[in-house]
Amino acid sequence: KAGVTQTPRYLIKTRGQQVTLSCSPISGHRSVSWYQQTPGQGLQFLFEYFSETQRNKGNFPGRFSGRQFSNSRSEMNVSTLELGDSALYLCASSPTGGRRGTTEAFFGQGTRLTVV
Amino acid sequence: GQSLEQPSEVTAVEGAIVQINCTYQTSGFYGLSWYQQHDGGAPTFLSYNALDGLEETGRFSSFLSRSDSYGYLLLQELQMKDSASYFCAVEDYNQGGKLIFGQGTELSVKP
Repeated sequence: KAGVTQTPRYLIKTRGQQVTLSCSPISGHRSVSWYQQTPGQGLQFLFEYFSETQRNKGNFPGRFSGRQFSNSRSEMNVSTLELGDSALYLCASSPTGGRRGTTEAFFGQGTRLTVV
Repeated sequence: GQSLEQPSEVTAVEGAIVQINCTYQTSGFYGLSWYQQHDGGAPTFLSYNALDGLEETGRFSSFLSRSDSYGYLLLQELQMKDSASYFCAVEDYNQGGKLIFGQGTELSVKP
């Protein structure tokens, strides 16, 4: 079974630009969550999508958005990039999204975004 | 809100036993998970505790005390390849079951 695939692996963008990151979950998984990881901040929850609907949202500004398609693939978009957005963006998929003990999340390798 | 606390770094020698503690505060608790992340890699699931007690999986064990809002990950017979970051995470039913992660503990295993 193929794992979670994130593209691209690395990205360099300029301040003010926008970026779209892609995540293909494990086949059959309907929940996709996104996390931002920076040194010293751990994994910060961005949002979770389940069956094309945003089910949870973290405390990030509106510049961060996402969506999920009918095949469960998900994209996240960051507009008007700032230097502080430089981070590893991780996507995790799970069958149901961690409800009542089905908590194992399968992570992709992440997209390393550098904003210059 | 939710918060998790774990030590930022731990050092141990090969063959030893190390315990990584995690205390949490959350309004709605389903369970506590542990993830391992090697440098530059994807976090991988290690264990999950929903009930009090010890769960053992090979060299790794995880413990939970719901009354103390406390858990730990125990790594035995440490190997060099265990050098990694370890994250505890809580599943919060008041937050739709989303996973909230701690800051991570960097484990260095020395020869």
